[in-house]
Amino acid sequence: EVQLVESGGGLIQPGGSLRLSCAASGFTVSSNYMSWVRQAPGKGLEWVSVIYSGGSTYYADSVKGRFTISRDNSKNTLYLQMNSLRAEDTAVYYCARAGSLGGFDLWGRGTLVTVSS
Amino acid sequence: QSVLTQPPSVSGAPGQRVTISCTGSSSNIGAGYDVHWYQQLPGTAPKLLIYGNSNRPSGVPDRFSGSKSGTSASLAITGLQAEDEADYYCQSYDSSLSGLYVFGTGTKVTVL
Repeated sequence: EVQLVESGGGLIQPGGSLRLSCAASGFTVSSNYMSWVRQAPGKGLEWVSVIYSGGSTYYADSVKGRFTISRDNSKNTLYLQMNSLRAEDTAVYYCARAGSLGGFDLWGRGTLVTVSS
Repeated sequence: QSVLTQPPSVSGAPGQRVTISCTGSSSNIGAGYDVHWYQQLPGTAPKLLIYGNSNRPSGVPDRFSGSKSGTSASLAITGLQAEDEADYYCQSYDSSLSGLYVFGTGTKVTVL
């Protein structure tokens, strides 16, 4: 079955670090453009980061310099390392695959990150 | 902050037609980049509804249709059904320095 499963969310204090994982099955992460998208409670969708099949990475201004996207080809897993976390980073974080025809055609169920003291 | 603007809410009776607008600028929709639409049912992940401005993935009913013109795009739902009550988001690519992928502000569709 083709699916994405996120993990690693939780409660973290401001200034702390957290690493999210997104395990893929049914397709190869390294052959696709993979993104992280987040949604703050009661708010809309916000694109966070992307890693292209060639390895290039890009970030939204709101997380640039604090978050790092990466992948482990041997584990077919996508990661998001989040440092210097702030209250405004509180959100459900989804990993998503960018489809070859456009749009994000596959989404995980999301993992909740809560930044609070 | 979103750079694609949508109405906060639209509503319609069962069987009616509703449309959702998505207004961008010359750095995203107006630059020729495709628009995609997502449906998010309460408590679930978004689902791709329309890709490449007007194409439906397999399994999406033909009640849903998309179009694009200039710096805007629209999603139409004809024959509105109770299960269409959800949040809808447009999404495109942006060539400005602020980000690559941009989402709309989101629209809540209510079936009366």
